[in-house]
Formats: sequence, structure tokens, C-alpha cells
Amino acid sequence: EAQVTQNPRYLITVTGKKLTVTCSQNMNHEYMSWYRQDPGLGLRQIYYSMNVEVTDKGDVPEGYKVSRKEKRNFPLILESPSPNQTSLYFCASSLLRGDEQFFGPGTRLTVL
Amino acid sequence: AQSVTQPDIHITVSEGASLELRCNYSYGATPYLFWYVQSPGQGLQLLLKYFSGDTLVQGIKGFEAEFKRSQSSFNLRKPSVHWSDAAEYFCAVGISGNTPLVFGKGTRLSVIA
Repeated sequence: EAQVTQNPRYLITVTGKKLTVTCSQNMNHEYMSWYRQDPGLGLRQIYYSMNVEVTDKGDVPEGYKVSRKEKRNFPLILESPSPNQTSLYFCASSLLRGDEQFFGPGTRLTVL
Repeated sequence: AQSVTQPDIHITVSEGASLELRCNYSYGATPYLFWYVQSPGQGLQLLLKYFSGDTLVQGIKGFEAEFKRSQSSFNLRKPSVHWSDAAEYFCAVGISGNTPLVFGKGTRLSVIA
């Protein structure tokens, strides 16, 4: 089944404790991206990747890192999480940038 | 830069009534257009998309959308709403290969008996 998976689905952590949210897709998509969703603000892009080893900032990259060492995986790293990063995070992939995106189920992160 | 406007933050309709969710975009050329639905606690699922051709597009779950170039709109419609349609709906605009999808801020749909 074609899908985007994310782990964990829920995470509660404390300020400053490094964490990684994994994202994997099995559709051989070139383009992957991370979004955060906050009430009233809709979806905002954090980082995206056009292909392996090619990543770039989205609209709200501060406090986040990503890597794309393999085509299927695109982890999101929070080196030192802060409470303002409490949000719902979505990973998505598509064949090309601007195409239909396939979304993961989301990761609800709470930073205390 | 392209932008997407969903003028209605929240809409309430009665079960069985018709539905229209509005979406307007700002872009010079004809973009790719999408509608996504997000059920509570779920990710985003594609309802339908428009790339070219027939301006009336059929999607899943009985939804359709009409692209109107003159109005820069891509409104989503359903003739008879079911309680399970209660969700958040996002319109998105893209240009393949060049620029990222831009999402509207969403319209929350409530369905009452």
C-alpha cells in the first residue's frame, strides 16, 4: 500500500531535550516536506527536499533541522525543543514539487 | 507570489443540505488545484484535483469542484452532506516542478442533524 508513515504519532517532551520525528514513504517520490499545523494558521512548511542530499528552508525553519540521506526517509530533528514548537506535524511526499502531496498521519508534539 | 484564500473559517450545514466551500487563488497562470480533507485526528486526504481539461472535476465521497478561470476560483461542492463529512477542508494551489503547494487556511465544516 502506498503510504507515508511517521513516528511517533504522539510525543510529550521537555524543553531542550533533542528529538527526532521519522518520516518514510514507499512511493519513490522525489519531493518530501514537513509542515506544522497550528489553529488559525493552517499548514506552514518547515523544510522540504527536492531529492537525496538536497534540502531547503520553508516558511518556518527556525529551530528545526532535516536530512535526506535516502530517498524514502526524511527525518525532522528538533535539537533543542521549546514550548512554541508544540504543534501538529505532518510529513508529505510527491513526485514533483507542486504536485499532489501524500500526507502522513501526523505527529502531535507537546513541549513542556 | 501565489496565494490561496478560503474566506469561510467555519461553516455549519444541516445533514442532507447542499454544500459549497469557496476557494480563490492569486496566480497569473493556470495552476494545479487541489482540495484536501482532514478528519479529526487524521492526516490530509486528497478529495480531488484539477490539472487541465474539463473544468468540472469529480472527486471521492461525492464531492466535485469547478474551476472558473475568470473568477480565479475553485469551489468545492456536494449536493447532499452526510454527518461523516464534518471535517476541515483545505484548498491548495501548485505549479508542478517549480514552486511549492500553497495551502489555504482551511474551512471547518460542522454538520447538524
